[in-house]
Amino acid sequence: AQKVTQAQTEISVVEKEDVTLDCVYETRDTTYYLFWYKQPPSGELVFLIRRNSFDEQNEISGRYSWNFQKSTSSFNFTITASQVVDSAVYFCALSEAGNYGQNFVFGPGTRLSVLP
Amino acid sequence: DTGVSQDPRHKITKRGQNVTFRCDPISEHNRLYWYRQTLGQGPEFLTYFQNEAQLEKSRLLSDRFSAERPKGSFSTLEIQRTEQGDSAMYLCASSSGTARSPLHFGNGTRLTVT
Repeated sequence: AQKVTQAQTEISVVEKEDVTLDCVYETRDTTYYLFWYKQPPSGELVFLIRRNSFDEQNEISGRYSWNFQKSTSSFNFTITASQVVDSAVYFCALSEAGNYGQNFVFGPGTRLSVLP
Repeated sequence: DTGVSQDPRHKITKRGQNVTFRCDPISEHNRLYWYRQTLGQGPEFLTYFQNEAQLEKSRLLSDRFSAERPKGSFSTLEIQRTEQGDSAMYLCASSSGTARSPLHFGNGTRLTVT
């Protein structure tokens, strides 16, 4: 069965610090996709990044970077030089190709507070 | 692309009343999902449609809940005989229908049952 765990419930950092959000997942599928979403105080979940299971190359996009490690079933997300506008709840999610993406499973979220 | 829209944004109802929510997905998306989110939790899957066909329902979805997508466009979620435990944010999302396609969410409908 699919499962996503985000062990960090809340994180507080001071502006300009780097912050890493942890995500650990469980799946029996060999092909799957991992996502990070941001939910600001306004409430709408916003898609940030996607990673597929067969490409472990880590990437950087602006201030965002991610570290996907299949061996540890982890998909961590880093914000560099955090800003107050980054304050939000961040969700990691898993979609299995064998399940035709029938349902995304989300983690419980990590609330990030960036203090000025 | 006008995004996913949900109506109403907020609904307050008394226990035992029926409520109906509407979701208009992104027009070219053939998949539509309903999720429920309670305070401090991640979204929980309720059901999803491929075009007009409802293909999966969560065990969370009691028989008081029903969803439709009659013409494969907008969808409605009805809750009959609401209970206080139904109070939550109801989220609608749409996608282009593969496992790699991200879900695009609406702003949600916040339901409060008094």
